[in-house]
Amino acid sequence: QKEVEQDPGPLSVPEGAIVSLNCTYSNSAFQYFMWYRQYSRKGPELLMYTYSSGNKEDGRFTAQVDKSSKYISLFIRDSQPSDSATYLCGSEGGGSNYKLTFGKGTLLTVNP
Amino acid sequence: DSGVTQTPKHLITATGQRVTLRCSPRSGDLSVYWYQQSLDQGLQFLIQYYNGEERAKGNILERFSAQQFPDLHSELNLSSLELGDSALYFCASSDGQGARKTQYFGPGTRLLVL
Repeated sequence: QKEVEQDPGPLSVPEGAIVSLNCTYSNSAFQYFMWYRQYSRKGPELLMYTYSSGNKEDGRFTAQVDKSSKYISLFIRDSQPSDSATYLCGSEGGGSNYKLTFGKGTLLTVNP
Repeated sequence: DSGVTQTPKHLITATGQRVTLRCSPRSGDLSVYWYQQSLDQGLQFLIQYYNGEERAKGNILERFSAQQFPDLHSELNLSSLELGDSALYFCASSDGQGARKTQYFGPGTRLLVL
């Protein structure tokens, strides 16, 4: 079992829809959680990260972590065609463990 | 543009060969990370260097090695290449260590082993 599991999709939604992307993880030592966005033929770019459980909001994006259920979520409100990309969830152990572990990514297409 | 540069962009080689991938981090960034991305395994962390020293190791094969030079650029050496090594190799850099420091990814090197 991979330490971070993510449904690869693909996920196709109409413009303006609310998108929910989800991951689960198995390592209780993970403390930092992040979402990266990767456009086709580009490197990943950090969208947001959260520490421990809770929500974090940045514009149309909300990241949510529930450590009790080991569940990571990213919500995109009012989705736009420019949001079409692969979204990668990731985790880091914190402390002196700098290893990042990623899910396989979910391919999202937002149709105009 | 993230400010991280990687060369070459594409590389085609044969099994058994050795290649070197190069990464120049963003100006001022001391940490360099190497990742491998394939369809079946996703994005996998290989190794991290901080100011010339190895700091973290992931699922890096013994046939692979890396180093960070005094000018902070880094090289990833892949030897005795196998078909399964075909993948996208990304370099990322940050001004510190860990997820609390944003990692900026380069455009990647696409390696095809025939």
